[in-house]
Amino acid sequence: EPEVTQTPSHQVTQMGQEVILRCVPISNHLYFYWYRQILGQKVEFLVSFYNNEISEKSEIFDDQFSVERPDGSNFTLKIRSTKLEDSAMYFCASRDRGWDEKLFFGSGTQLSVL
Amino acid sequence: AQKITQTQPGMFVQEKEAVTLDCTYDTSDPSYGLFWYKQPSSGEMIFLIYQGSYDQQNATEGRYSLNFQKARKSANLVISASQLGDSAMYFCAPPSNDMRFGAGTRLTVKP
Repeated sequence: EPEVTQTPSHQVTQMGQEVILRCVPISNHLYFYWYRQILGQKVEFLVSFYNNEISEKSEIFDDQFSVERPDGSNFTLKIRSTKLEDSAMYFCASRDRGWDEKLFFGSGTQLSVL
Repeated sequence: AQKITQTQPGMFVQEKEAVTLDCTYDTSDPSYGLFWYKQPSSGEMIFLIYQGSYDQQNATEGRYSLNFQKARKSANLVISASQLGDSAMYFCAPPSNDMRFGAGTRLTVKP
């Protein structure tokens, strides 16, 4: 089965630093997502991306966050100035065109902000 | 955003027994459906099953089935013959541009 790939699997950064989390969605998929999950808690929607623009974003996705699909294969999440509370697992996901198409998830990037 | 409710933070079931995990959602969209995902302790999100609102029958995938009650806007996950490997978090989500998940149910299967 095709896979969504996320790198790195773990990222440690200092508070205030910028981080970029990288994802390679499944090649023919059209919709891309970022989620975060603080340990033991719910999977929180951050942003969805379609046709090279943000289609939906949550209240968590403030000006510190941005997403990009720079080259038609990668999908990145940038956090400009990390805070301690940004420490979480970040999941990337993608799906094909239909609403009844399942999301394919990457294995996540564990971000630790010190 | 649609409101998704999973009322059971934690559930216990004896191995080989069946268990039902609840999910209801608030939507005015007549074409809604529902996804269920499993998250074991290793952390990955695994697709389990999908029910479309126009499906004539409840969805079934192996030991997983959905008890879809359109009027109640619920699609409860039924796991038959529970196994130790079913111990995990279970999340439901209706399809939408912003695929938001419920708070999840932690299922523990006891030997």
